[in-house]
Parts: sequence; C-alpha cells; structure tokens
Amino acid sequence: AQTVTQSQPEMSVQEAETVTLSCTYDTSESDYYLFWYKQPPSRQMILVIRQEAYKQQNATENRFSVNFQKAAKSFSLKISDSQLGDAAMYFCAYRNYGGATNKLIFGTGTLLAIQP
Amino acid sequence: NAGVTQTPKFQVLKTGQSMTLQCAQDMNHEYMSWYRQDPGMGLRLIHYSVGAGITDQGEVPNGYNVSRSTTEDFPLRLLSAAPSQTSVYFCASSYSGLAGVLSYEQYFGPGTRLTVT
Repeated sequence: AQTVTQSQPEMSVQEAETVTLSCTYDTSESDYYLFWYKQPPSRQMILVIRQEAYKQQNATENRFSVNFQKAAKSFSLKISDSQLGDAAMYFCAYRNYGGATNKLIFGTGTLLAIQP
Repeated sequence: NAGVTQTPKFQVLKTGQSMTLQCAQDMNHEYMSWYRQDPGMGLRLIHYSVGAGITDQGEVPNGYNVSRSTTEDFPLRLLSAAPSQTSVYFCASSYSGLAGVLSYEQYFGPGTRLTVT
C-alpha cells in the first residue's frame, strides 16, 4: 500500500522569504502523480502543483516549485517570495497513474504561517 | 457552473441519529467521491462512484452508505451516527477525458463539518 509522510506539522516563514515543505512517500509503482494541495481557513481544497512521475523535469507554477527525487521518493514544495495569502495547511498527496479510481492518498499536512 | 456543492455546511447530530450529506456537481463528471478529514490524519477516502449506478468502497467505508442514481448527485448517508464520525466531509468529482481516461484533476466541494455528540 502507498503511504505519504509529512514530517513537519507546522512551519513559519517571514513574508517575502522562501520556505520548503517536505514530503516523502512510499510506493512500488513506477507511474504515478504527486500533488500539493493548499487548504486555507475557508477549508477549500486548492490544487497548487502536480508532478507526473515519468517526467524528470520539476514542475513549477509561478512562485511554487517542487523538488522531485524519484529514487529517494521525496517530493518537496518550495514557495518563493512568501505572501500573507500563502498561510494555510498544505497537503502532499499521491495518486496511481491510470486506473478507474481517482483515489488520493494524503499526508497529514503542514500548517504554514507567514510572519509579516 | 456552480462546481461541486455540498449541503449542509455545518451539522450537529446526537449519537444514533441518521442523516444524509448532500453532494451535487453540474459539470457532468462521471467520477465522484467522498473523503473525511480528521485532525492530524489528512483526508481519507470513504466511498467513490465511477458513474450512475456504480459505487465502491474506499479506505474507511464503515458506517456510511452511498448510492448514485444520477450523474449529478452523490449523497452520503450515516445510518446511525457515532462520535467517531465527527469530522469534516469533502465531496470531489473528476471527468474522463480522451479515450475515457480519468483525469487526475479533482474538483472539491467546500466541505461539511459534522459533529456527533
């Protein structure tokens, strides 16, 4: 069975600085997706970024980028130029590639605080 | 499009009561699912449906029933609520793209916070 581990329950960063959130996972599959979701106080789940395991290039979305290390089964999220609106719970999630289900396996989350 | 809607937003139940959490989507998505979110545990899959009339169990199905009579609606039923079912419940939907391949992208509803006393 696949598992996702986020070892940082809480993190804090100064506004405009860079912060990295860690995620490790375990799977025997070779093809899969990895995601970072943001959950602000409104509870809405917002997809921040995704990575396909077959792609060697790390995904980027504006100020958000990932460091995907497939052999190490590591998938960290870097947030550059942190803004107050980035304060939220961040979840790392895994999904098998293909198949008839869209089952996501989530980590336990990292609560990110932004200090003004 | 309204996207994925969930009602109610908040609910308090007494142990043993029954209720249905409603989920609807107006995007004609074939795939729908229910997750629960507990503190310190992330989200876990309860049930899912790949289309009208087809449902299956997820990771934590005990205590919950589902049915899918239409593409739009996927209600979650608690037949006899227990304090262990206190949680935030999320509904999500996805579409199938080319050649019927299920998209990785999931659209989440705003969630229902349920408290069972």
